[in-house]
This record gives sequence, C-alpha cells and structure tokens, in this order.
Amino acid sequence: ILNVEQSPQSLHVQEGDSTNFTCSFPSSNFYALHWYRWETAKSPEALFVMTLNGDEKKKGRISATLNTKEGYSYLYIKGSQPEDSATYLCAFHKAAGNKLTFGGGTRVLVKP
Amino acid sequence: DGGITQSPKYLFRKEGQNVTLSCEQNLNHDAMYWYRQDPGQGLRLIYYSQIVNDFQKGDIAEGYSVSREKKESFPLTVTSAQKNPTAFYLCASSPSPGTDFYEQYFGPGTRLTVT
Repeated sequence: ILNVEQSPQSLHVQEGDSTNFTCSFPSSNFYALHWYRWETAKSPEALFVMTLNGDEKKKGRISATLNTKEGYSYLYIKGSQPEDSATYLCAFHKAAGNKLTFGGGTRVLVKP
Repeated sequence: DGGITQSPKYLFRKEGQNVTLSCEQNLNHDAMYWYRQDPGQGLRLIYYSQIVNDFQKGDIAEGYSVSREKKESFPLTVTSAQKNPTAFYLCASSPSPGTDFYEQYFGPGTRLTVT
C-alpha cells in the first residue's frame, strides 16, 4: 500500500487569514496528483489534477504547487472565508495504473 | 443532470446479514470505484472496475463483493465476512483511461451501520 500523508490533520484559520498544508507522496512512479475538496454533507469535488514537476494551479483563492522529485504538494488558501471550511484530500496516481491512493485529509475550519 | 447516485443515504443492518449498496452513474464513464471512510481516516479503495464485466480488488477487498453487469451500475455487497462493516461508503466514477488523468466524480455516499 502506497504511503500518502497529509499534514496537519486539521487546522483552524481566522477569516481573512491565509493558510497552507501539505501532501507527501512517493517520488517514484509518479503519474498525477489530485486535490479534492469535501464539504460537509456533500460529495468530494475535484480541485486540481497536477502532472508536471513545478506545476502550479489556481482556482480563485486556492492554489497548489507540485514537487514530484521530492514527493510533496502544497495547497494554499488566500484570504480564507467560512465557505472554504472543508476537508481537503490529496490523491496519488501511480504510473501504469488507474486507481488513486488518498491521503487522510486536512480538515480546515475557517472561523468568522 | 449528470451525476452519481447512491442509495440509500443511511442503511441499518443486523450483524450476520449481507447488504447491497447501490451506485448508479449517467456520466457515461467506463471506470467505477468503491471507497470506504472510517472516522479520522482517508478514503480506502475496496474495489474498482475499468470496464463492464471486469473488476479488480482494491486495498481492502476482504468481506466485500461487486458486480459490473452494466456500464451505469456498480453495486457493492457487504458480506457477513466483513469484520467491521460500519462505515461511510463512497462510490466514484471516472472517464476512460487516457483522458483527464482519471479525475474522479463522487456520489453522496451511504452510511452503513451494523449492530
């Protein structure tokens, strides 16, 4: 079983503050790294699919970077809003396979 | 509306009974997946199917069975052999291999409680 880890497990952020958290994954046999957002009582939704070392993706106030050589990705939330409260999941896609291995998630709570 | 449906939302069963969780998609996706989530843990893959009439075990397949007789449907049976069946179960689908790097689309989930 592949080791995909996310840290921290949870964090509280004051509204308006920026934050970031990490996903670490195996640096070998890399194919893609996915980020999903999972809001309470909803289904997980894809945020980004990242495939190239050095990739940076952005959607609104949320952005992500990728380092495949050292096996980590950062997700950033700029100017956090209460609607950003969710669990953020990363998932590693190993080369020559078509299944994802998920990390444990980072639960973000934005306090007004 | 295209999407994935799972039913029921909550399911209660007695220990020793088999139970089948439904998953249907109208996204015309070839691949479908079943995950399990336990409190404080991430999603763990139970079974997946890349094409009709074919499926593979995931990381925690013991005590579960699946079928894929139609492209739209991928039911999961939790058998009495599953030692800790109480969990939240998520179904997902993704486009054919080779497109969109397998971004997955998720259903709303079924919370199974076995007593």
